[in-house]
Amino acid sequence: SYELTQTPSVSVSPGQTASITCSGDKLGDKYVAWYQQKPGQSPVLVMHQDTKRPSGIPERFSGSNSGNTATLTISGTQAMDEADYYCQAWDSSTVVFGGGTKLTVL
Amino acid sequence: QVTLKESGPVLVKPTETLTLTCTVSGFSLSDARVGVSWIRQPPGKALEWLVHIFSNDEKSYSTSLKSRLTISKDTSKSQVLLTMTNPDPVDTATYYCARRYCGSTSCEGIWYFDLWGRGTPVTVSS
Repeated sequence: SYELTQTPSVSVSPGQTASITCSGDKLGDKYVAWYQQKPGQSPVLVMHQDTKRPSGIPERFSGSNSGNTATLTISGTQAMDEADYYCQAWDSSTVVFGGGTKLTVL
Repeated sequence: QVTLKESGPVLVKPTETLTLTCTVSGFSLSDARVGVSWIRQPPGKALEWLVHIFSNDEKSYSTSLKSRLTISKDTSKSQVLLTMTNPDPVDTATYYCARRYCGSTSCEGIWYFDLWGRGTPVTVSS
């Protein structure tokens, strides 16, 4: 079965750029979505089809996907961006989620 | 307002069958652009996709859980049902329903969930 691998944790200082990666075999050939989940809340879509930001998501969120790695980049990270982030793709008629990355802003 | 809301038992015994309901509002389950998935999250762990139902009633199941899951929908009631047989304590999780929306002329490979319910916690214990 297809697997998506994420670094368990990433730390960033306020105002700096955070990069959260997701890796999988030939992931660049697939569309990747990203979700933000804060404690006790449901996931929120922050990026889809690799680079598309849903309405209401700040411009500091951007995405890329090439080769075996997709990246969610948060420029000028704010304290409110501290959360768990999950990547997601579709493979062989199934939805696959990554293991999640905990972003700490300190 | 477009919403999804999960409901079901908080506690279920391993000998019982778990049935969860997702009630949607603000869109129709017969809309060709939408489908609904069930996704779960054990305490402190990652999201796990379970199953999806398309507007034309086709289904896609997680390979590992396919034998235990059944998804169905009642369009007139705007509800999507999930049943899980032989629940085990490892099935303890928050269960979410989420909407897949695709307005493109071709949706092949385009999978993302633009709306999620608040989730319903389920504990499996005797």
